[in-house]
Amino acid sequence: EVQLVESGGGLVQPGGSLRLSCAASGFTFSSYWMSWVRQAPGKGLEWVANIKQDGSEKYYVDSVKGRFTISRDNAKNSLYLQMNSLRAEDTAVYYCARDYSLAAFDIWGQGTMVTVSS
Amino acid sequence: QSALTQPASVSGSPGQSITISCTGTSSDVGGYNYVSWYQQHPGKAPKLMIYEVSNRPSGVSNRFSGSKSGNTASLTISGLQAEDEADYYCSSYTSSSTLGVFGGGTKLTVL
Repeated sequence: EVQLVESGGGLVQPGGSLRLSCAASGFTFSSYWMSWVRQAPGKGLEWVANIKQDGSEKYYVDSVKGRFTISRDNAKNSLYLQMNSLRAEDTAVYYCARDYSLAAFDIWGQGTMVTVSS
Repeated sequence: QSALTQPASVSGSPGQSITISCTGTSSDVGGYNYVSWYQQHPGKAPKLMIYEVSNRPSGVSNRFSGSKSGNTASLTISGLQAEDEADYYCSSYTSSSTLGVFGGGTKLTVL
């Protein structure tokens, strides 16, 4: 079964750090661009970052540049998002997703909630 | 403010057809055939319904169709069913960013 499973979310104080993980199974992980997409409570979707198959290209939304780092380990079929200097506005459900085509994500994880609050 | 504009809500009765619009610019929707649509039920992850303007992934009902005219893309759902009630989001490739952009979402209510 093709599947993505996120982990690592939780409650963190402003200025703190979290590392999200996404475990992929059922497909050749190393063949796909991968992305992180977030959704603040009651709000819409926002593309946070994506990474090329070999990790050589990475792109970020302006609001997280310099604070978040996307990475992957193809040997472990895993995607990561290191989040530093967290702000209240980073509070959201974070989804990892497989890039099927430009702006098209065909496989999504169940999401992991990140809450930034004191 | 979202880069792509969608109506906040639409509604229809079972069996009817509805259309959800997604308006952008020539830098995104109008300039490329990379528009996608997602369905999201409460508490669930989004599901890809349409990609590259009008293509349906395997397993998606043919009641869902996509089109584009100028800077506006549209999702049409025919033969509306109760289980179609959900939030719908469009997304598009854009030349003005290294990442794509989403619409603000449309809540579909089946009356």
